[in-house]
Amino acid sequence: EAGVTQSPTHLIKTRGQQATLRCSPISGHTSVYWYQQALGLGLQFLLWYDEGEERNRGNFPPRFSGRQFPNYSSELNVNALELEDSALYLCASSPRRTNEKLFFGSGTQLSVL
Amino acid sequence: KNQVEQSPQSLIILEGKNCTLQCNYTVSPFSNLRWYKQDTGRGPVSLTIMTFSENTKSNGRYTATLDADTKQSSLHITASQLSDSASYICVVSATTSGTYKYIFGTGTRLKVLA
Repeated sequence: EAGVTQSPTHLIKTRGQQATLRCSPISGHTSVYWYQQALGLGLQFLLWYDEGEERNRGNFPPRFSGRQFPNYSSELNVNALELEDSALYLCASSPRRTNEKLFFGSGTQLSVL
Repeated sequence: KNQVEQSPQSLIILEGKNCTLQCNYTVSPFSNLRWYKQDTGRGPVSLTIMTFSENTKSNGRYTATLDADTKQSSLHITASQLSDSASYICVVSATTSGTYKYIFGTGTRLKVLA
């Protein structure tokens, strides 16, 4: 069974550009979570999608947005990139609105120059 | 405010030695507590989960404890191996009206030396 897959693995952008990160959850999982992990820091919650809808949002500016598609895959978009957006972006999935453990992808390393 | 604090921030031990990582939380309403292991450049992987009524859970050389009264948990690693070098993250789950919130600690970075 395939795990959570994220693409691209690495992404290099310049300030002001836009970045799109993608995530495919484990088959059968409908909940997708996005986290930001800056170097040396803990995971910061960004967004939670379940069954196509945004269920919760972390304390991030509106230029962080995303969506979940009918097949439950998800996109994270970051507009007007800033240097401090450089981080590992992790996607996790879990079965629909359950309190099950999160299964994480390997992340997308975003570097903003 | 829901918070999870971990200590120490980093730890270096020799291969074969034991170590204990700490997690203190102020999360309400408490649902469960998980320990995750995160290798460098990878996503975290769940090691153990404990609910309110459980106070010990083992997974091989990893043993987690939970004291719900003092809101403390520990992760004990026995006979450490080089492959144990990773970040260990304590995650507490809160449940409110069917919505689940995961509160992450900042992790303990463990380095095991030969």
